[in-house]
Amino acid sequence: EDKVVQSPLSLVVHEGDTVTLNCSYEVTNFRSLLWYKQEKKAPTFLFMLTSSGIEKKSGRLSSILDKKELFSILNITATQTGDSAVYLCAVGGSARQLTFGSGTQLTVLP
Amino acid sequence: KAGVTQTPRYLIKTRGQQVTLSCSPISGHRSVSWYQQTPGQGLQFLFEYFSETQRNKGNFPGRFSGRQFSNSRSEMNVSTLELGDSALYLCASREEGYLEQYFGPGTRLTVT
Repeated sequence: EDKVVQSPLSLVVHEGDTVTLNCSYEVTNFRSLLWYKQEKKAPTFLFMLTSSGIEKKSGRLSSILDKKELFSILNITATQTGDSAVYLCAVGGSARQLTFGSGTQLTVLP
Repeated sequence: KAGVTQTPRYLIKTRGQQVTLSCSPISGHRSVSWYQQTPGQGLQFLFEYFSETQRNKGNFPGRFSGRQFSNSRSEMNVSTLELGDSALYLCASREEGYLEQYFGPGTRLTVT
């Protein structure tokens, strides 16, 4: 059974801080790892990673995958209150469906 | 392109009733997946439809069912509702051959 574990479960920081969110996984026939941001409603897609060691960047957010150690990190630099959300990590394996972790609740205080 | 749409957005039902939720995928996306999200269990996969056929199914009882129409719109049905079925039901669509899924706003179901 595919498994995704995210840590920490929750995090409270102040604006301007840098945060690192972790995602470790066990999956049969790994195909991809995806990061989503969920505010009050639907998760919105952030990144998809398929290759080890290649960083994906979008503004202040970046993510990297380590396929040997079976984990990924999501970094957010210079955090803003608008970054407050639940960040979800999901992996796609041989079953083609996504298995999600329980998420990290990030709260950014002004 | 318009995003994934789901109707209704909110629903209150009584135990024992049944409910049907609807999802319209992004234009051109033929794969539709359904997820249940609860505070305790997180996001759990229900099923995936592609070209009107169920391609994958998660670990949910037979009370949960779905279908997909020729225009890729999908519905899911929950019969004999239980209190534990109260959740946010999310639909996601993707293009065939691509792994990233795009989510709709969800239907918040409350069972009393």
